[in-house]
Amino acid sequence: DAMVIQNPRYQVTQFGKPVTLSCSQTLNHNVMYWYQQKSSQAPKLLFHYYDKDFNNEADTPDNFQSRRPNTSFCFLDIRSPGLGDAAMYLCATSSRAMGARRTEAFFGQGTRLTVV
Amino acid sequence: SQQGEEDPQALSIQEGENATMNCSYKTSINNLQWYRQNSGRGLVHLILIRSNEREKHSGRLRVTLDTSKKSSSLLITASRAADTASYFCATESTPYKYIFGTGTRLKVLA
Repeated sequence: DAMVIQNPRYQVTQFGKPVTLSCSQTLNHNVMYWYQQKSSQAPKLLFHYYDKDFNNEADTPDNFQSRRPNTSFCFLDIRSPGLGDAAMYLCATSSRAMGARRTEAFFGQGTRLTVV
Repeated sequence: SQQGEEDPQALSIQEGENATMNCSYKTSINNLQWYRQNSGRGLVHLILIRSNEREKHSGRLRVTLDTSKKSSSLLITASRAADTASYFCATESTPYKYIFGTGTRLKVLA
């Protein structure tokens, strides 16, 4: 019944080695988000897709990129992870279709990234 | 930049007591939502209140919104140990963009 699925749940990567986090959804929602959450902090929006339109937050580092090849999948690419990028990365979706009854965000369980 | 600030940052109560968390935000909003996060997990939506609403109930949850003060509160009545979690408010000021507050860590002691 999982609706927003993130893989893997835990990812360890080396300093400077590119890493990709994955998110898939079965909700057919047109908006997908990536949030970064550091320990005991609020989730911080990195970027979101409205359909295929990519919307980057002004303070998201260039080191973070995203791809959305189709409605169901979205990827977060960290080109050169630094120690400060260790965090929980949360994928979320919402529906902005015409007449959508529910507009809240649905979250995956997150991927905890460790940089060594 | 973060939209919401919540207080208290941490709250510890006994089972059966009520828990109140407050959220303040900075700009005008379309709606405000509350989410719950268990340790190390994703966020789960609890309740949404639109900018033209003042109060909303869902089970043991009661949310109020005061747009003149740019603040909201979440009340959990008759708390249970299973309510132990972090609670975040999220505002939607730009369409379909959710910005989260700093969160309140609630601990309910059995």
